[in-house]
Amino acid sequence: DAKTTQPTSMDCAEGRAANLPCNHSTISGNEYVYWYRQIHSQGPQYIIHGLKNNETNEMASLIITEDRKSSTLILPHATLRDTAVYYCIVRAPNNAGNMLTFGGGTRLMVKP
Amino acid sequence: GAVVSQHPSRVICKSGTSVKIECRSLDFQATTMFWYRQFPKQSLMLMATSNEGSKATYEQGVEKDKFLINHASLTLSTLTVTSAHPEDSSFYICSARDRVLGSGANVLTFGAGSRLTVL
Repeated sequence: DAKTTQPTSMDCAEGRAANLPCNHSTISGNEYVYWYRQIHSQGPQYIIHGLKNNETNEMASLIITEDRKSSTLILPHATLRDTAVYYCIVRAPNNAGNMLTFGGGTRLMVKP
Repeated sequence: GAVVSQHPSRVICKSGTSVKIECRSLDFQATTMFWYRQFPKQSLMLMATSNEGSKATYEQGVEKDKFLINHASLTLSTLTVTSAHPEDSSFYICSARDRVLGSGANVLTFGAGSRLTVL
């Protein structure tokens, strides 16, 4: 699996957009980029995933650079409930077992 | 959407006893489930892959005789921590892949986790 690099922590003001970067410079052509988040003492929650194109759903937007070596998760209007650890993971779709390997993630603190 | 239920959410037990944690996929079938462990202020670490109808696959360093996994049906996997000790105290989380949601990608749905405290 391609390794990802994320900032350890970030702060964001409530109501503002939260932009969480992820570096995956060794990503392979068939590897997807996934984002999950984990609110304190809960299981991880799927947010969004993408391969090449930018993606948007009801939770967030995912911007992937043209060379696919980095991506940014955007929470357009962060709320206090978005305070969590955000994990960026890259993985090929048909890897053995389909499991995900979690790195350290980014601890996002949304402040009033 | 896909829901994975874990039970119990919290358990406290005495050292030397065994504890069973259940993981159920409520609205989909999962031939494969995954068990993770998370210590305080650390990331999730994969313990084992649970395969319906066959033996689990354990990650390096995880004792299969201590962490017994049974996946008897397409909607239920259980993790039993045998002869638990204080160092086994952790947050245990299961996950399963929803085939419809995931399509060609590895989108996993996670349970809420089970916090084990061994006294």
